[in-house]
Amino acid sequence: LAKTTQPISMDSYEGQEVNITCSHNNIATNDYITWYQQFPSQGPRFIIQGYKTKVTNEVASLFIPADRKSSTLSLPRVSLSDTAVYYCLVGDSGGGADGLTFGKGTHLIIQP
Amino acid sequence: NAGVTQTPKFRILKIGQSMTLQCAQDMNHNYMYWYRQDPGMGLKLIYYSVGAGITDKGEVPNGYNVSRSTTEDFPLRLELAAPSQTSVYFCASRDTGGGEKLFFGSGTQLSVL
Repeated sequence: LAKTTQPISMDSYEGQEVNITCSHNNIATNDYITWYQQFPSQGPRFIIQGYKTKVTNEVASLFIPADRKSSTLSLPRVSLSDTAVYYCLVGDSGGGADGLTFGKGTHLIIQP
Repeated sequence: NAGVTQTPKFRILKIGQSMTLQCAQDMNHNYMYWYRQDPGMGLKLIYYSVGAGITDKGEVPNGYNVSRSTTEDFPLRLELAAPSQTSVYFCASRDTGGGEKLFFGSGTQLSVL
């Protein structure tokens, strides 16, 4: 399983763009990169997933360089409601438990 | 679709008691998972199942048992509850194949006193 490293915590302000980077040096060829968001007392929720280059949806963008050894989740113009823990997962190529190891995640705090 | 449903939402157990945490999904997903989350920590995989009749251990299986008799249900059994099992338990499911996202239930908060 590919191990991931992300910052423990980050602070930002409403209206700013926030970028959270995840390192995954031993990513395998078939691995996807998936980000989840978790609010207190709730289960994690899928945000975005990518394999290479850039992926964008209605809530975030995911940037993946050519070597795929890292990825950056970008949240445009954050609000107070984006305060949450963000997890980066690598794997999920179809096996039962592949890529389903959650680290401590990044605790993002948005201030007014 | 209700998604992934967990019951109960809260439970207090005495040391040595047993209980079953229920998990059901209505998305016809083959893969189901049980995680526990201690305060301020990430999720740790307890057990998982890739289909009815098939289960396997995750990172922290000791003190727990599971069964998967149907596609929909994946109960987690705690035998002889211990204070170390005080945690929030999440059940999740996903479809087969690469790149499929996890769907989580709302969790069961368990205290063992």
